[in-house]
Parts: sequence; C-alpha cells; structure tokens
Amino acid sequence: EEQLVESGGGLVQPGGSLRLSCAASGFPFSTSWMHWVRQGPGKGLVWLSRINGDGTMTNYADSVEGRVIVSRDNAENTVYLEVNSLRAEDTAVYYCIRDLREFNYWGQGTLVTVSS
Amino acid sequence: QPALTQPASVSGSPGQSITISCTGSSNDVGGYKFVSWFQQHPGKVPKLIIYDVYIRPSGVSNRFSGSKSGNTASLTISGLQAEDEADYYCNSFTSSYTHVFGTGTKVTVL
Repeated sequence: EEQLVESGGGLVQPGGSLRLSCAASGFPFSTSWMHWVRQGPGKGLVWLSRINGDGTMTNYADSVEGRVIVSRDNAENTVYLEVNSLRAEDTAVYYCIRDLREFNYWGQGTLVTVSS
Repeated sequence: QPALTQPASVSGSPGQSITISCTGSSNDVGGYKFVSWFQQHPGKVPKLIIYDVYIRPSGVSNRFSGSKSGNTASLTISGLQAEDEADYYCNSFTSSYTHVFGTGTKVTVL
C-alpha cells in the first residue's frame, strides 16, 4: 500500500530553520517526482518545490526560492524540505506529494507554526 | 508565478451542473496539457479528480469532467450532489518548470 509520512513540523521562532522529512513506501520511489505543497490556516494550496527521481533536477516557486532546499535519499526512500529564515507567513501544513498527475498521492501533512 | 484565477465561490442546486474556471496564461494553462484538478473537503487531504486537462483517475465519478480553451481550464460537475460540497483547486505546469495552483473555489450545494 502506498504511503507518505511527513515529520519534522512544530513550533519555530521567526528567523529559524526546519527540515521536514517525508518517508515513502509502497511505490517506486526512486523513479517518482516528489513535490512539496503547503496550505496556510484557512488558505489555499501553494506549490513550493519538486525534485526528480534521482535528485538531479529541482525546481522552486519564486515565493520561496533561496529560502528552501529540496533533497532526497533514495536509499532511505525519503524526501526532505529545508526551510530557512522562517517568518509568520510560513505557518502552514506542509504536504509531501507523489506526482501531480496520474500517480498523485498525498501525505497527511505536517504542521509548521512560526511564532515567538 | 502568480496563482491561477478561480472564482471564489460557485453554487448550485442538487442535480444541476456547475462549471469552475481556472484562468492563467500562455506560460501555464494555455501552453501545456498538464492541468489537474483537486477536491478538498474540510479537514481532509486534497484528492485528485482530473489530470492532463480531462482524464479522470480510476474511481472518480464520471460526473466530473475537465476541458480547456486557450488560457482557461474548466471543471464541470454534473448532477450536483451534496457530497460535492468542497473546495476545488486547479494546478498547472509552467514554462519555468514549476507548478502553480489556482486560488481555489468553494462549491456550495444549495
């Protein structure tokens, strides 16, 4: 059974950093594009980043480029999202997603709260 | 990359058909066949209901259909049912090799 489990969220002070993890199982992880999407409280979905199967290609939304780094470890079936210089508007549920087309699958999300 | 434009809300009575628009540009919706639609019920994870403009994943009701004309994609829900009340988001691949979501549409069944 396909599964994505995010972790690493929590309460962070403004200016701080976080590394979110997403453990995958039940599908061919090393050949799958993986995406990160976030949703602020009461707000819409925002696409953040994607990484290809072997980790050689990454893309970022303009709104977070320079503050976010996506990476993956195919030996551990895990994809990561490092978010730096956190600010209040980064408060959101962060979702790890397999593909945005035919093989789409979403994790349950991990909540990041940026507050002093 | 600005969000794709969707109407904030659309409503209809049970059994009616409604259409949600998703307007972008030639750099996203108009330039690629990679438009997806997601349905999100309150407190739930979004669910894919259409990909590649008009393709329905297995298990999705055939009451949902997608189309595209120029820079605007559309999602039509026919035979509206109470369970269709949810938020709907479009998503498109872009010329910058990124993706972008729409602003979201709240569907209300009257």
